[in-house]
Amino acid sequence: NAGVTQTPKFQVLKTGQSMTLQCAQDMNHEYMSWYRQDPGMGLRLIHYSVGAGITDQGEVPNGYNVSRSTTEDFPLRLLSAAPSQTSVYFCASSSTQASGTQYFGPGTRLLVL
Amino acid sequence: EDKVVQSPLSLVVHEGDTVTLNCSYEVTNFRSLLWYKQEKKAPTFLFMLTSSGIEKKSGRLSSILDKKELFSILNITATQTGDSAVYLCAVEKYNYGQNFVFGPGTRLSVLP
Repeated sequence: NAGVTQTPKFQVLKTGQSMTLQCAQDMNHEYMSWYRQDPGMGLRLIHYSVGAGITDQGEVPNGYNVSRSTTEDFPLRLLSAAPSQTSVYFCASSSTQASGTQYFGPGTRLLVL
Repeated sequence: EDKVVQSPLSLVVHEGDTVTLNCSYEVTNFRSLLWYKQEKKAPTFLFMLTSSGIEKKSGRLSSILDKKELFSILNITATQTGDSAVYLCAVEKYNYGQNFVFGPGTRLSVLP
């Protein structure tokens, strides 16, 4: 099992550019989520999904879109990047059927100039 | 509104010291409480607690949950420089939706 994978590891964007952060998991987990982590702050939930075809907003959704066409993949799209979106992004997955941990991807460090 | 609070936010100790990290929560539909250690990259799982009063232990780390008073503590004895990290507390909910609520983390620095 690869667990949760994320690409790219690092990305530099100019203000106004768009991009997609990729996330995939091979554990057949129903629940997937995207967090951002800024210095001195914990993990803040951007969007989450409880299964294929179902997504919803978290705490800080503005400027981001998601889709969940398959159980395995949960991409995060930045529509028009802003410097305030400079952050480290983590994707995570967990099973909704049993109490347990979230499994985190290695993170994507994004710098918006 | 769901809330997870950690204290202290930052802590500096010397090797060999014992530390206690605190996590309190106000969350509906509580399912479990989780502790993670985060060094330079993704959080790594330490403990999952579901029942009050039962201590979970792994080496020099231990944790306990009090569901009546809504808090948990993470103890680290005989600290080492490798324990330097951010320790995150999270609550898992029984919820069709936003299942995990994270605290801000405690940054622990262990000096030689």
